Amino acid sequence: GESVGLHLPTLSVQEGDNSIINCAYSNSASDYFIWYKQESGKGPQFIIDIRSNMDKRQGQRVTVLLNKTVKHLSLQIAATQPGDSAVYFCAENPYGNNRLAFGKGNQVVVIP
Amino acid sequence: DGGITQSPKYLFRKEGQNVTLSCEQNLNHDAMYWYRQDPGQGLRLIYYSQIVNDFQKGDIAEGYSVSREKKESFPLTVTSAQKNPTAFYLCASSPGTANEKLFFGSGTQLSVL
Repeated sequence: GESVGLHLPTLSVQEGDNSIINCAYSNSASDYFIWYKQESGKGPQFIIDIRSNMDKRQGQRVTVLLNKTVKHLSLQIAATQPGDSAVYFCAENPYGNNRLAFGKGNQVVVIP
Repeated sequence: DGGITQSPKYLFRKEGQNVTLSCEQNLNHDAMYWYRQDPGQGLRLIYYSQIVNDFQKGDIAEGYSVSREKKESFPLTVTSAQKNPTAFYLCASSPGTANEKLFFGSGTQLSVL
């Protein structure tokens, strides 16, 4: 998708379709990963997390996939709704503690 | 926003002025954090505190100061030394153990007059 406004990578998706948001993380020592959703002017909201001893975890309408071989994380949203329009951030724990490092975010725009 | 309150929602700073952003949590969390968010950027860590009366610099601490006199409070002061303070500031807290999610406040938008 095209880059808009905040120059974030943008995914435009039709309402009802599935969305896939990708994230490449930087540190092979990271063993905990989180996805957050941020609506305009608000603080990030927790969506789902996954530990490195897993490669898949499912929540309500969301699935996180972890590929440690290529250091890649993805978030799948099923049956995307207008309320899913937001910026989505992935985060990892490269320091091995509770200090997280965040990616730059992906904008999701749901087309009614 | 999950028991974390940031105030004010909007704040304006004049040249050479120090301003303080408030962050209070009632989650009984040990750890608290301050992040800065600029348009098109991810969250960058300014300061964090693992326990009362202790705090550490994050990645962009220059021009900022913090205190942690109480478990529930972690105020951030943006000093006059911070030459580009316009940004969205986010406070967060967590239980303090490794591999736990952070809970965020609703943010403070700071702008320079």
